Amino acid sequence: GQNIDQPTEMTATEGAIVQINCTYQTSGFNGLFWYQQHAGEAPTFLSYNVLDGLEEKGRFSSFLSRSKGYSYLLLKELQMKDSASYLCAALDSNYQLIWGAGTKLIIKP
Amino acid sequence: NAGVTQTPKFQVLKTGQSMTLQCAQDMNHEYMSWYRQDPGMGLRLIHYSVGAGITDQGEVPNGYNVSRSTTEDFPLRLLSAAPSQTSVYFCASGGTGDIVELFFGSGTQLSVL
Repeated sequence: GQNIDQPTEMTATEGAIVQINCTYQTSGFNGLFWYQQHAGEAPTFLSYNVLDGLEEKGRFSSFLSRSKGYSYLLLKELQMKDSASYLCAALDSNYQLIWGAGTKLIIKP
Repeated sequence: NAGVTQTPKFQVLKTGQSMTLQCAQDMNHEYMSWYRQDPGMGLRLIHYSVGAGITDQGEVPNGYNVSRSTTEDFPLRLLSAAPSQTSVYFCASGGTGDIVELFFGSGTQLSVL
């Protein structure tokens, strides 16, 4: 079956760095997405990786290892507004998205 | 640009009632989809469309109908509401290209009593 695993909840301190991990098992693979979702709001796109390696975008970076079925989202210089759920999603061979349940990130002052 | 407009934002139904959730996008996207989001679970695809006149079932299509008569609109119909359909519903659209980023509507909180 197809599956995405990510931690349910993480806590970090304002100004610190946090890494949110995601492992995936899909029928074929056409890329890995990260979305941010604030409580009561819609998901918004953060990043897309299809090749191995690190993609950096400001305070956020996303890493992919296709051979390990593994990705992580790295958030630096955490701000209170980064408190949200972070959704990992893999694109399978039929170009359908398989979504993880999301990681709720709590930022403490 | 308005992006993806989804209505209503909240809805309460009684078991057996029917209703339509509206979704419209102004980005000329070919791809549109409906998801439901339940606590502790990932987004689950209900139905999707890759263009006007074309629709297909997703992971959880039972109890829902869709149509795509225009590029802009993709309504979701609940035929006979059941308590199991209590959820948050999101419409999403996406273009074609190297990165198939999805743009989401603001969501509908649906409660079926």
